[in-house]
Amino acid sequence: DVKVTQSSRYLVKRTGEKVFLECVQDMDHENMFWYRQDPGLGLRLIYFSYDVKMKEKGDIPEGYSVSREKKERFSLILESASTNQTSMYLCASSPQGAGFHQPQHFGDGTRLSIL
Amino acid sequence: AQSVTQLGSHVSVSEGALVLLRCNYSSSVPPYLFWYVQYPNQGLQLLLKYTTGATLVKGINGFEAEFKKSETSFHLTKPSAHMSDAAEYFCAVIIQGAQKLVFGQGTRLTINP
Repeated sequence: DVKVTQSSRYLVKRTGEKVFLECVQDMDHENMFWYRQDPGLGLRLIYFSYDVKMKEKGDIPEGYSVSREKKERFSLILESASTNQTSMYLCASSPQGAGFHQPQHFGDGTRLSIL
Repeated sequence: AQSVTQLGSHVSVSEGALVLLRCNYSSSVPPYLFWYVQYPNQGLQLLLKYTTGATLVKGINGFEAEFKKSETSFHLTKPSAHMSDAAEYFCAVIIQGAQKLVFGQGTRLTINP
């Protein structure tokens, strides 16, 4: 069965810390995505990657970076955490197929609190 | 650019009643459309998708949606609500050639006993 695993369900960090959120998929998917979910705003795309070492900015990349050294792993990095980055973070993956319109498979999310 | 609007951030129905969650999209070319469901403390799970072909799409758990091009809509329905349907539902759209899936703001469905 398809599996996207996010390393932490809940995480509490302090302002100014460098924070790493890890995501691993076991489906050999080319595409991987990081979203943040906030009440009333739906899901907003932070970054995505369509291949190893490739990355593209989404709609809200400011304050974040990503790393994809291996096909199965996609990391989200908060360079210097701030309180406005408190949110639910969702990782997703999809096969490349003929484009980006294949359904995405989601992890269970990481609820991050920045104090 | 495509966009998605879900009408109603909260919908409440009685158990056994019809569920109708509304989604309208804006796109200049034919879109691919999705409905996802999110149960508490979980990620999103695909309910159904429309790509091409039949405009009435059946999904999991008894849900279905109809693509109406003339109304730019993709409303989600279920004839008879069950308590286990309580969740948040997201409509999403992408057009061919685009790289980003665009999500609506979500509709929280509550089922009253």
